[in-house]
Amino acid sequence: VQLVESGGGLVQPGKSLKLSCSASGFTFSSYGMHWIRQAPGKGLDWVAYISSSSGTVYADAVKGRFTISRDNAKNTLYLQLNSLKSEDTAIYYCARRRAREGVMDAWGQGASVTVSS
Amino acid sequence: DVVLTQTPPTLSATIGQSVSISCRSSQSLLHSNGNTYLHWLLQRPGQSPQLLIYSVSRLESGVPNRFSGSGSGTDFTLKISGVEAEDLGVYYCVQGTHAPPWTFGGGTKLELK
Repeated sequence: VQLVESGGGLVQPGKSLKLSCSASGFTFSSYGMHWIRQAPGKGLDWVAYISSSSGTVYADAVKGRFTISRDNAKNTLYLQLNSLKSEDTAIYYCARRRAREGVMDAWGQGASVTVSS
Repeated sequence: DVVLTQTPPTLSATIGQSVSISCRSSQSLLHSNGNTYLHWLLQRPGQSPQLLIYSVSRLESGVPNRFSGSGSGTDFTLKISGVEAEDLGVYYCVQGTHAPPWTFGGGTKLELK
């Protein structure tokens, strides 16, 4: 199982960014997927989830600004980040959800997003 | 939302010492289906989190059996029986019983004394 995030970078407040998470080593289409973030020096904070059937849920802090999506043909998970704020600065991890126990059982290495003028 | 409170926030240990970390929930984590979706993660310095224990007490494949989990309802414990150098890092509990949202504890940093 391998998850590799990309697309991070430095962006100005109010701008947009799109993160990708490339999956391999498992049947991507069969798994729900999460995005979780970690602000500098802080703990883990759940951001969004997409089920294997593409149902989505979001944390209140990002609802209406972020969009999670998936392309099963490309084995890739996405997170579109719009109207970015300084408090969105974090490392963004994608994680696989193991259905039976509902646990985040595999994590990527993370993509760094810095929102600053 | 469910709040998970971890104690202590920092834990100093010597190699070989046994230690415990507590995770207390603001609500019972027993799901109506009879399962308890409380899990433990370890984040080593500079690395992404990894799964150690799932469903309170089940050891993830490849995780050494010096790690164990216990508890029920609102009180849960992760125990390390004989700390090794590779165990240093930050431990998080996470719940999925009352998701969304999934919520994490604030973390417990295990360091060498």
